[in-house]
Amino acid sequence: NAGVTQTPKFQVLKTGQSMTLQCAQDMNHEYMSWYRQDPGMGLRLIHYSVGAGITDQGEVPNGYNVSRSTTEDFPLRLLSAAPSQTSVYFCASRRLAGGNNEQFFGPGTRLTVL
Amino acid sequence: SQQGEEDPQALSIQEGENATMNCSYKTSINNLQWYRQNSGRGLVHLILIRSNEREKHSGRLRVTLDTSKKSSSLLITASRAADTASYFCAGINTGGFKTIFGAGTRLFVKA
Repeated sequence: NAGVTQTPKFQVLKTGQSMTLQCAQDMNHEYMSWYRQDPGMGLRLIHYSVGAGITDQGEVPNGYNVSRSTTEDFPLRLLSAAPSQTSVYFCASRRLAGGNNEQFFGPGTRLTVL
Repeated sequence: SQQGEEDPQALSIQEGENATMNCSYKTSINNLQWYRQNSGRGLVHLILIRSNEREKHSGRLRVTLDTSKKSSSLLITASRAADTASYFCAGINTGGFKTIFGAGTRLFVKA
């Protein structure tokens, strides 16, 4: 199993540009989520999904869109990038039922907005 | 912000010593987890403690939870240089879908 994969690893954008961060998991997890991590801070939840076709907002959703058309994929879209969105973005997935709620994280995407 | 707080923010110890990190949170939780993050990497799950548990052990890790004080602690015994990392507590809310992370403790273990 590849686990949770994210692309790209690094990205530089100009203010106002749009882009999509890709996330995929091969563990058949129902739950997927996106976090951002800023220097000296923990992870903050942007959006999450409990299954294909179902998404909801987290703690810091503004400026980001998500969709979940398949169990495997959960892309995060930046509609009009701003310097405040410079951060490291992590995607994670876990089972919803049973287990220990352990989230499996991808390696992250380091985004810089100029 | 709903983020939890961790104490200390940074900790430097000698190999073989114990490391204790504390976490406080604001919302009601179903369970609390601790994660580890090596520099530049994603987070790795260490241990989970449920809201009806007071203490849990896993290898060199000992976690406590006090729901009345909304606090938890992580003890790493007999630390090793390889334990150098950032450690985060994370609480899953009672709805079960949102995980709130603390700001993390950076642990440095000197060989």
